[in-house]
Amino acid sequence: QKEVEQNSGPLSVPEGAIASLNCTYSDRGSQSFFWYRQYSGKSPELIMSIYSNGDKEDGRFTAQLNKASQYVSLLIRDSQPSDSATYLCAVKKARYKLSFGAGTTVTVRA
Amino acid sequence: KAGVTQTPRYLIKTRGQQVTLSCSPISGHRSVSWYQQTPGQGLQFLFEYFSETQRNKGNFPGRFSGRQFSNSRSEMNVSTLELGDSALYLCASVMTPGQDYGYTFGSGTRLTVV
Repeated sequence: QKEVEQNSGPLSVPEGAIASLNCTYSDRGSQSFFWYRQYSGKSPELIMSIYSNGDKEDGRFTAQLNKASQYVSLLIRDSQPSDSATYLCAVKKARYKLSFGAGTTVTVRA
Repeated sequence: KAGVTQTPRYLIKTRGQQVTLSCSPISGHRSVSWYQQTPGQGLQFLFEYFSETQRNKGNFPGRFSGRQFSNSRSEMNVSTLELGDSALYLCASVMTPGQDYGYTFGSGTRLTVV
């Protein structure tokens, strides 16, 4: 079983729509959860972090965490072409290791 | 402030050679992690260093090694290169490895083994 699993995608959404990305993790003891965005040919960039159950909003991004279901998601509202990228879910279960999912590629159609 | 700096940006090596990659973390960041990214495997954790000590290691052969210096700069070394080692190697730093901090990545070193 993989430590972190994401929808394989790709996900194509029209401009202005909501993009919904999902991630599950295997270790119930995981405490910290992150979403990174990676543009083609670039390095990952941290866009959201969440540690407690519930929702966390930052601009057009909302992260949702449900530790009981071992599930974390990212919503991108009012999607823009500039949101077209690969989104990586990352989970920290040990103090010295951040594990990543395979990523979901999002394409926003103008 | 300056971000995470990785050098060199690109490398071409021959099978059997060894290579050393360098990472300078953000000023004040004391923990450095290394990752290998390939299209097929995604981001794979190599190791994490804090206070000059390797704190965790991923499932890579012993040909992959690293170290961290007193100024928090880190190097990773790959010996006896194989074609499958061709990848983007990413370094990430964080102030302390507490659970509430996100890591900042460098631009990476693209290694091609021929």
